[in-house]
Amino acid sequence: NAGVTQTPKFQVLKTGQSMTLQCAQDMNHEYMSWYRQDPGMGLRLIHYSVGAGITDQGEVPNGYNVSRSTTEDFPLRLLSAAPSQTSVYFCASSYSSILNTEAFFGQGTRLTVV
Amino acid sequence: SQQGEEDPQALSIQEGENATMNCSYKTSINNLQWYRQNSGRGLVHLILIRSNEREKHSGRLRVTLDTSKKSSSLLITASRAADTASYFCATANQAGTALIFGKGTTLSVSS
Repeated sequence: NAGVTQTPKFQVLKTGQSMTLQCAQDMNHEYMSWYRQDPGMGLRLIHYSVGAGITDQGEVPNGYNVSRSTTEDFPLRLLSAAPSQTSVYFCASSYSSILNTEAFFGQGTRLTVV
Repeated sequence: SQQGEEDPQALSIQEGENATMNCSYKTSINNLQWYRQNSGRGLVHLILIRSNEREKHSGRLRVTLDTSKKSSSLLITASRAADTASYFCATANQAGTALIFGKGTTLSVSS
C-alpha cells in the first residue's frame, strides 16, 4: 500500500516555465488537497477536491490550477512559475470529510523557481 | 488565514523529559488534530480529538481539549531523540473539506 505518492521530489524551474506536480493515492479516498509550506509558516491550502470532477479553491489559489478526472489522481499545475512559488508542496487525501477522519500526506515536492 | 497557533514556537529538552505543546484556535470546531513532521518529510497524523472529548491518549501521547478556552495541548512523555520534529495542530475548514494548520512547534530532544 503506497499511500499518497508525489512526484517529482525536487524540481528547479525558471521564471515563466510551467509544470505539473503529480499526486496519486491508492486508498480510494474521495477528498484530496494541495498545500504549500513556506519557512516559519504552517501549511496553507491551495486547492482541494471532494471527488472526481469536483475542485475548489483554498486560501492561496492564484497561479495554480487543478483537475480531478479520476479518484486516484490530483495534479497541480503551475501556469507560469514565479519566484514567490518557491516552496514545498504537499498533497493530502482523506477517506471522507475532515470533520470525521484524518488526512494522509505525501512526502512533498520541493520546488525552486529561479 | 490560520486557525490554530501553537506555543511555544520552539522547545528544546533532554531525553526522558516531558514535552508540552499548546494550540489555540479561533472558531468552533468539530475536531482538532495533531500532526508530526520530521525534517524534510511529509506530515504524519498523530491523534484526533473530537469536540465532545476532553482527553485522549495514544502511547506516550496525551492530548487535551478545552473548547471553552479554544485550546488544546499535546503532551509527549519520556521524550526520545526520535521525537525531534515539528508538531502541528489542525482543524477542519467550515465545509470539512480540508485542514487549517497552525505554524507549528519545533521540538528538539537531545540525548
